[in-house]
Amino acid sequence: DVKVTQSSRYLVKRTGEKVFLECVQDMDHENMFWYRQDPGLGLRLIYFSYDVKMKEKGDIPEGYSVSREKKERFSLILESASTNQTSMYLCASSSGQGTVLYGYTFGSGTRLTVV
Amino acid sequence: SQKIEQNSEALNIQEGKTATLTCNYTNYSPAYLQWYRQDPGRGPVFLLLIRENEKEKRKERLKVTFDTTLKQSLFHITASQPADSATYLCALSSFNQAGTALIFGKGTTLSVSS
Repeated sequence: DVKVTQSSRYLVKRTGEKVFLECVQDMDHENMFWYRQDPGLGLRLIYFSYDVKMKEKGDIPEGYSVSREKKERFSLILESASTNQTSMYLCASSSGQGTVLYGYTFGSGTRLTVV
Repeated sequence: SQKIEQNSEALNIQEGKTATLTCNYTNYSPAYLQWYRQDPGRGPVFLLLIRENEKEKRKERLKVTFDTTLKQSLFHITASQPADSATYLCALSSFNQAGTALIFGKGTTLSVSS
């Protein structure tokens, strides 16, 4: 069964900590994405990557960075966690290139609480 | 500015009826549109993709329409069941020089009562 695996289901971190959220996919997909989901705001795109070592900013990249050293792994980094980064973080992957993007496969999400 | 609107936050229907969910968008010209299902505490699950040159797509009890003139998609679940209760998300492809990503609506929560 193909899947996207997020390393942690729940995380609690302190303000100012550097936080790493890991995501691994086993489908050989070119594209990977990080979203956050908040009540009333829906899913918002943080960063995405369409190739190894490539990264593109989404709609809300401030306070975040990403790393994609291998095709199957896409990491989201909170440089200095703040309470307004408390959220559900969702990683996704998909195949496709250019303007063609097929259905996403999402991970189960990481619920991050920053205290 | 670009905007995606799903007609209502919540929709309640009786088992056996057809549920119809609406997705409207402005200031986009998406090449395609996708629908997802999300259960509480879980990641969204892909259901259907429809391209701009397709008017309608079906999969089992699901039907999606895409009207690029009205800038609207309708998502239908026929013969609805309590197990169909979930939040349904509409997503549009957004392409720029950086690449393509999906932009999601906020979702409609469907409740099917027996």
